[in-house]
Amino acid sequence: AQSVTQLDSQVPVFEEAPVELRCNYSSSVSVYLFWYVQYPNQGLQLLLKYLSGSTLVESINGFEAEFNKSQTSFHLRKPSVHISDTAEYFCALLDGNTDKLIFGTGTRLQVFP
Amino acid sequence: DVKVTQSSRYLVKRTGEKVFLECVQDMDHENMFWYRQDPGLGLRLIYFSYDVKMKEKGDIPEGYSVSREKKERFSLILESASTNQTSMYLCASSQDSDIRDNEQFFGPGTRLTVL
Repeated sequence: AQSVTQLDSQVPVFEEAPVELRCNYSSSVSVYLFWYVQYPNQGLQLLLKYLSGSTLVESINGFEAEFNKSQTSFHLRKPSVHISDTAEYFCALLDGNTDKLIFGTGTRLQVFP
Repeated sequence: DVKVTQSSRYLVKRTGEKVFLECVQDMDHENMFWYRQDPGLGLRLIYFSYDVKMKEKGDIPEGYSVSREKKERFSLILESASTNQTSMYLCASSQDSDIRDNEQFFGPGTRLTVL
């Protein structure tokens, strides 16, 4: 069965510090991975995705994630966070046969001044 | 820009009431989805639909039904609301096409409280 695990429910950091949000997946078929972000009182927005090709993918606001097949991971990183990055982040795996997304339980990133 | 709208941001209902949550998308997407979001549980799929009048059960369909009479509209129905259905409900849509275009676009959510 396919699944997604986000090991950290909350990650508190100070502004300008680096951050890593961890995501591990389990899948026996082709792997398509996504990171979504949910700002307070809003719906989910796509942050970045891995479908194929380069294992390092980037977002427009400085986040990056690396697909690591041997470690079945897709960790999200940012070298220097801002207060405005405070949000909940969801890792998700797409079942290519059904178009269903399988979500992790989410990581709440809280950035302090 | 793709837009997914949900009829209410906040809703308060009483136990036993019939509740309708409406979702509309304006990008002619074939696929539509209903999730509920609960702290510590992430998003769980309730129902989804690949086309008009088609529906498939997700992971937690009990206590819910759906209706898709038009391509752009996907309704979630709670036949008899219960307190354990208090949650945030999120609607999403996506194209039925090549995997590269298969991003799901989400609405702002409806926070339902059942008293």
